[in-house]
Amino acid sequence: DAKTTQPPSMDCAEGRAANLPCNHSTISGNEYVYWYRQIHSQGPQYIIHGLKNNETNEMASLIITEDRKSSTLILPHATLRDTAVYYCIVRVVSEGDMRFGAGTRLTVKP
Amino acid sequence: NAGVTQTPKFQVLKTGQSMTLQCAQDMNHEYMSWYRQDPGMGLRLIHYSVGAGITDQGEVPNGYNVSRSTTEDFPLRLLSAAPSQTSVYFCASSYWGRSTEAFFGQGTRLTVV
Repeated sequence: DAKTTQPPSMDCAEGRAANLPCNHSTISGNEYVYWYRQIHSQGPQYIIHGLKNNETNEMASLIITEDRKSSTLILPHATLRDTAVYYCIVRVVSEGDMRFGAGTRLTVKP
Repeated sequence: NAGVTQTPKFQVLKTGQSMTLQCAQDMNHEYMSWYRQDPGMGLRLIHYSVGAGITDQGEVPNGYNVSRSTTEDFPLRLLSAAPSQTSVYFCASSYWGRSTEAFFGQGTRLTVV
């Protein structure tokens, strides 16, 4: 059973912020939220993760709601190279498996 | 530091043939896993391991075997290839028990005819 729900596709104008939502209404207290992206058919690339606090790194920001049932990945200034499939995953770090859903295909347009 | 290395990058098999997809990592990661990705789909977990001598099944384990004799290597074996196993295969590794990122190989594109 999928633990996360994401829209299948989104568009974003180049230079604008891309806000990718993820619903994880059944998340448990020890599950982290991870985001990865996959450009073309390359191996997925880690973006960011968090438990309950908002996080920011050089690539993106992660906003997690107070009840932790949803989150938003923000790419502050999207470029054409950010066109990819973005995956939201919830995972307990002490458990072995990491499962992907269908992800969101983000298309950044000039 | 090579990260996660998968070999071969491309392979064509005939139905019924066997082969092993290789995956090696040099980061001393405990956790390693194999995924398959069919066209237009997300990644599906085949098998995973949380350390040498420990393996477990993922979502789609049938038709695949794995073993983990060393920390560095996690080979995936297809004993009798079928056309339904035509896919792109990704290997991943990470620390286990810590909230860190997973690293992925560049994939093996397998075609079974």
